[in-house]
Amino acid sequence: KAGVTQTPRYLIKTRGQQVTLSCSPISGHRSVSWYQQTPGQGLQFLFEYFSETQRNKGNFPGRFSGRQFSNSRSEMNVSTLELGDSALYLCASSADRGLIAEAFFGQGTRLTVV
Amino acid sequence: SQQGEEDPQALSIQEGENATMNCSYKTSINNLQWYRQNSGRGLVHLILIRSNEREKHSGRLRVTLDTSKKSSSLLITASRAADTASYFCATDSFRFGAQKLVFGQGTRLTINP
Repeated sequence: KAGVTQTPRYLIKTRGQQVTLSCSPISGHRSVSWYQQTPGQGLQFLFEYFSETQRNKGNFPGRFSGRQFSNSRSEMNVSTLELGDSALYLCASSADRGLIAEAFFGQGTRLTVV
Repeated sequence: SQQGEEDPQALSIQEGENATMNCSYKTSINNLQWYRQNSGRGLVHLILIRSNEREKHSGRLRVTLDTSKKSSSLLITASRAADTASYFCATDSFRFGAQKLVFGQGTRLTINP
C-alpha cells in the first residue's frame, strides 16, 4: 500500500509569488490535513479536508488556502509569499474511523522563499 | 500553539543504551501518538496510545500514558545508530480527533556508536 505522497519535494519562490503544493493520501483515506513546520514555531496545524470540505482550520492568515478533490487528493496554496512562509509543509492522511485513527505523514515539501 | 512540552530537548546516549523521552500536554486528550523525524524529512508514525490505555509496546518501543498527570513517555530499548532522529508526541482531542494534531517541540536523540 503506497504511503502519502507530496509533490514537489523542494521549491524556491520569490516574495510576492504564490505556490501550490500537492498531496495524495493513502488509498481509502478521506481525511487530509496540512501542517507547517518551522524551527521557531514547530509543527502547526493549517487545515483539514474531508470529502472535499474544509472541516477544521488553524490560526493562519487567509493567504493560506486549500482544497480537496473527489479522489481525496489535496492541494494547498499560499499566495503573496513572505519570507516567513519558508518552512517544511507536511501533509497527513487519516482513515477517520471515528476518534481512533492514526495520522500518516508524507515526506513533506520544503519551501524556501527568497 | 504547542500543546505541551517534551523533555529533554536533546538526548545523547551510547549505542545499546535505553533512551527515554517524556511528553506533557495541557488539555484532555483522546489519543496520543509518537512520531520520528529524520533530518527535517517526513514524520514516521511509531505508535498510538488511547486515553484509556496505560502502556503499549511495539518492538523496541514502550509507551506509557498517565492521564492524571497529562504526560507520556517513550522508551527505546537497546538503541541503534539508526534511531538517531527527532521524536515528537502529538495529541488529539475528543472534538477534532486525529484530524487536528497538536505537537510538542520534540526531543532530538543522538545515538553515538
